[in-house]
Amino acid sequence: GQQVMQIPQYQHVQEGEDFTTYCNSSTTLSNIQWYKQRPGGHPVFLIQLVKSGEVKKQKRLTFQFGEAKKNSSLHITATQTTDVGTYFCANMKTSYDKVIFGPGTSLSVIP
Amino acid sequence: EAQVTQNPRYLITVTGKKLTVTCSQNMNHEYMSWYRQDPGLGLRQIYYSMNVEVTDKGDVPEGYKVSRKEKRNFPLILESPSPNQTSLYFCASSLLGVGTDTQYFGPGTRLTVL
Repeated sequence: GQQVMQIPQYQHVQEGEDFTTYCNSSTTLSNIQWYKQRPGGHPVFLIQLVKSGEVKKQKRLTFQFGEAKKNSSLHITATQTTDVGTYFCANMKTSYDKVIFGPGTSLSVIP
Repeated sequence: EAQVTQNPRYLITVTGKKLTVTCSQNMNHEYMSWYRQDPGLGLRQIYYSMNVEVTDKGDVPEGYKVSRKEKRNFPLILESPSPNQTSLYFCASSLLGVGTDTQYFGPGTRLTVL
């Protein structure tokens, strides 16, 4: 079945350093969504990418969808302690289909 | 305030004792879903519903039941809980399908089955 992988599983960075997490699929993705979950909290939707090669920015966060629509990345510039949490990518075949989440990348930021 | 609510937030039970976790949303969303979250495995979808009386299996439906009799409610039923169902459960909803709209998550229910 469809699998979504994320690397790295954990990342520890010094505050101010950049951070990138990658999401890879064994099959072509119809779209990709990214979520953030703070420790002890619930997942919060960040963004959705739909088009091949799409790039979207939210302040210090940059999201990319691969040209082949099999991978995606989330890049955070100059991390802050507020960026701490686990970042998940998720995919679904159609809008009304089941959702497959990646296992997540846990980010720790050392002040 | 627009929100997804779940009850209870914490539950400790014993093997075989039927339980229901309720989920309600006040945003008139069509799509609702249940996930379980386990360390190292991320979120795995249990069941989802595209509208009233329409439900479908996610990746890990075994041992769970759901119903969608009203648009706002989507209870998760464990007829005979077992220890491997100890997990953190999230309910979520979106206006239309998940691939179209933001998915909003409830606060979670931490279930322990002894």
